[in-house]
Amino acid sequence: GESVGLHLPTLSVQEGDNSIINCAYSNSASDYFIWYKQESGKGPQFIIDIRSNMDKRQGQRVTVLLNKTVKHLSLQIAATQPGDSAVYFCAEKEGNNRLAFGKGNQVVVIP
Amino acid sequence: DAGVIQSPRHEVTEMGQEVTLRCKPISGHNSLFWYRQTMMRGLELLIYFNNNVPIDDSGMPEDRFSAKMPNASFSTLKIQPSEPRDSAVYFCASSLVGYNEQFFGPGTRLTVL
Repeated sequence: GESVGLHLPTLSVQEGDNSIINCAYSNSASDYFIWYKQESGKGPQFIIDIRSNMDKRQGQRVTVLLNKTVKHLSLQIAATQPGDSAVYFCAEKEGNNRLAFGKGNQVVVIP
Repeated sequence: DAGVIQSPRHEVTEMGQEVTLRCKPISGHNSLFWYRQTMMRGLELLIYFNNNVPIDDSGMPEDRFSAKMPNASFSTLKIQPSEPRDSAVYFCASSLVGYNEQFFGPGTRLTVL
């Protein structure tokens, strides 16, 4: 499949444990953030999003936390499964339609 | 819906050749984005269209790159002439204008020898 990045920060997680992936963003005026998951050989897929007027949002097994004071975003995955192995990108909204993506974090789930 | 469709999935060409990548957005979507992904630079926006009109092409690296969207269901990204440093995975994504979530295609892996 497509090679996403051999030198990405990597998080190794035991199956069943919780995962936390962190992301720093640059623009304090950004009002929307989104997490994408990219599996090998595929395009990025939407996981969860959050607006700047919130500090937490929960989905199915995932939670996004936003700390605007330090411009930090995190994605928590509960009870990590082998299918969660992927590269995870945070993105912030720029302008009208643009998204600016971070470099990505590799998550490796150990069975 | 089949999602965003890209072709070809893989392209190997020689330096100097013309390369054309194709994208069909999700039916009903009226924003289309072309991205390039490399190990060194990550995911970069090259250009995007709203209602078939190019809005921002500031990410297009050089005049060798051009993109068109002749209608709402088709877009092309052309590289002429191609160079080895153009080797990357090129993604197309679509969305509705005013909505933030972008839906990505499977990508085209381009190798320029």
